[in-house]
Amino acid sequence: GAVVSQHPSWVICKSGTSVKIECRSLDFQATTMFWYRQFPKQSLMLMATSNEGSKATYEQGVEKDKFLINHASLTLSTLTVTSAHPEDSSFYICSAREAGYSAGANVLTFGAGSRLTVL
Amino acid sequence: DAKTTQPTSMDCAEGRAANLPCNHSTISGNEYVYWYRQIHSQGPQYIIHGLKNNETNEMASLIITEDRKSSTLILPHATLRDTAVYYCIVRPFGQAGTALIFGKGTTLSVSS
Repeated sequence: GAVVSQHPSWVICKSGTSVKIECRSLDFQATTMFWYRQFPKQSLMLMATSNEGSKATYEQGVEKDKFLINHASLTLSTLTVTSAHPEDSSFYICSAREAGYSAGANVLTFGAGSRLTVL
Repeated sequence: DAKTTQPTSMDCAEGRAANLPCNHSTISGNEYVYWYRQIHSQGPQYIIHGLKNNETNEMASLIITEDRKSSTLILPHATLRDTAVYYCIVRPFGQAGTALIFGKGTTLSVSS
C-alpha cells in the first residue's frame, strides 16, 4: 500500500528557533496533503491543507506566518514552525490521499508523526 | 458533514470479537462511513469504509444498519496490538481533496 514518510520522528529545539518537518509520499503522487496537530490525550486537529504548486489553506485559528507550509512537488510537503515556543510542542502528523482507491474515496494515508518539543 | 457519536472507551478480552458502535443518525445519502484507528504515538491507520452494504477486509468488518443511522466495526479476534483509539468518520463521497475531521473516538483496550 501507499506509504507516507515523515522526518524527523522527533525533534527538540530551543525557544525562538525554527523547525522544519518533511512529509513525503513514497510511492504515489499527492497533489494534496494535510497537516494535523495533536496535543496529549486529545484528538487530531486539522491545521492546513497543502496543495502542490499553490498556497496552503489554513484552518481558522492557525497562524499561517508561524506555520509555513510548502508543497513544492507532488511527493513532498514541508511544515516549518517558525520562532517556536513551548506551547508549540505537539505531535504533528501529515497525510495524503491513497491513489489506489477510487477518485472520490476519502482514504488517507498518514505519516508516523513528528513529535516536537520546544524548550 | 454528519456528526458521529462513539462511546468513550471499551474493553475487550484478547481473542474475542471487539464490536465498536458508531451513531450517525444525520447521515445523508452521499456520505460514506470511514473507520480509522490510532495506536499510541503513531499516525492514524485506515481500516475500512462503506456506504450501505456490509464490508469486510483483512482487518475488520463493517456492519451498517439498513437505515444507515448507525454502524459497527467488528474486529473478529482482537489482539493486544489492536489496543488503540478508533475513529468513525462520515464524509461525502467525491470530496477527495478535503481532509478528514476527527472526533474523540473510542479507546479500545484489549487485555489478556
